[in-house]
Amino acid sequence: QQQVKQSPQSLIVQKGGISIINCAYENTAFDYFPWYQQFPGKGPALLIAIRPDVSEKKEGRFTISFNKSAKQFSLHIMDSQPGDSATYFCAASSRQDSWGKLQFGAGTQVVVTP
Amino acid sequence: DAGITQSPRYKITETGRQVTLMCHQTWSHSYMFWYRQDLGHGLRLIYYSAAADITDKGEVPDGYVVSRSKTENFPLTLESATRSQTSVYFCASRPQGFDYQPQHFGDGTRLSIL
Repeated sequence: QQQVKQSPQSLIVQKGGISIINCAYENTAFDYFPWYQQFPGKGPALLIAIRPDVSEKKEGRFTISFNKSAKQFSLHIMDSQPGDSATYFCAASSRQDSWGKLQFGAGTQVVVTP
Repeated sequence: DAGITQSPRYKITETGRQVTLMCHQTWSHSYMFWYRQDLGHGLRLIYYSAAADITDKGEVPDGYVVSRSKTENFPLTLESATRSQTSVYFCASRPQGFDYQPQHFGDGTRLSIL
């Protein structure tokens, strides 16, 4: 049973458009929510992360929106570029877990068309 | 260059064979992790380690064995490979202490079991 549910499984967006990926979780102990970006043949790399004490975090064209009451968080990619074509994973972890283990969503493959 | 390297990058073997996937990191990170990546499942944790000789099972440990005699190495062994273990395997590491430290991933080993 996946502790973090991610949708959609894939999406296609035109260059300049907005990509939106959504994640939901059940474990209220989760207090760290990173997003990882993965290109073909490469390992996932941290893109941006948020803690539940803020509702939004922005880094360049990438924004995380966090809704603690709904137990949902989302990644918005503004002005999407062909170089953003990749698989995106949301994840969650809890400070109660001293190992810092991550629970990953199933991933979203994003294709940005020219 | 410092980083995390996995070897081999590609491996084809037969059912019943033993195969070992290697992971080496140069950061002296305390924590190391093994994941498998399958379509529709995201990344699932197989085993993790907090230090040399300290390991524990993750979500999907059956059929796998790990060891960690040195901080920098964390090999994963499939003792008797099965077709269901065909997957892409990723090793990751992070520094000790939670403090929202991200995990850093290698570029993976693509394993096919015939």
